[in-house]
Amino acid sequence: NAGVTQTPKFQVLKTGQSMTLQCAQDMNHNSMYWYRQDPGMGLRLIYYSASEGTTDKGEVPNGYNVSRLNKREFSLRLESAAPSQTSVYFCASSGEGASLLGNQPQHFGDGTRLSIL
Amino acid sequence: DQQVKQNSPSLSVQEGRISILNCDYTNSMFDYFLWYKKYPAEGPTFLISISSIKDKNEDGRFTVFLNKSAKHLSLHIVPSQPGDSAVYFCAATAGNMLTFGGGTRLMVKP
Repeated sequence: NAGVTQTPKFQVLKTGQSMTLQCAQDMNHNSMYWYRQDPGMGLRLIYYSASEGTTDKGEVPNGYNVSRLNKREFSLRLESAAPSQTSVYFCASSGEGASLLGNQPQHFGDGTRLSIL
Repeated sequence: DQQVKQNSPSLSVQEGRISILNCDYTNSMFDYFLWYKKYPAEGPTFLISISSIKDKNEDGRFTVFLNKSAKHLSLHIVPSQPGDSAVYFCAATAGNMLTFGGGTRLMVKP
């Protein structure tokens, strides 16, 4: 019963390096999301995808790009990593609907802990 | 400016007693509220939710109360168990984006 799978679990990068965080869900959900979690700030939405082929900016999109490769997979790319992007990144998915309605609870992966030196 | 605030970073409760976690919000457009629970090294998991047309929702040991006039919601856990020890996030939405509070770490002592 995999749910939402994120890879890798940990990564250390040097400033300026690029990296792609992978996310896949097996629940046939339409909507997928990328969040970052920083101490005391809860989770903040970076980008989301309401359906295959569409993506939209969230609260903190600067410095990131995303790709909704197919219904299952939603990747997050850092083109030129900066120390301010050190965080824990969570991918989530939710069922039916073309919006982020809260009455479709989101299912989260276990996160990717990213450190940028 | 945070639209959803959890003003208590931590809470310690004795096993068997009630745990009350609080959350305040500022955006009057929020119409749905959720609580998530998070264990270390895991993603958040959905716990309970409430629509703005209700003032209470109950699920087993967990009850969420919503006071719209005060823009305040709370999560009650009765009785508290050691396995409830985790970080609890409240979240709110107006239909286009889920906004999270900063979290409250609950510690239930045996």
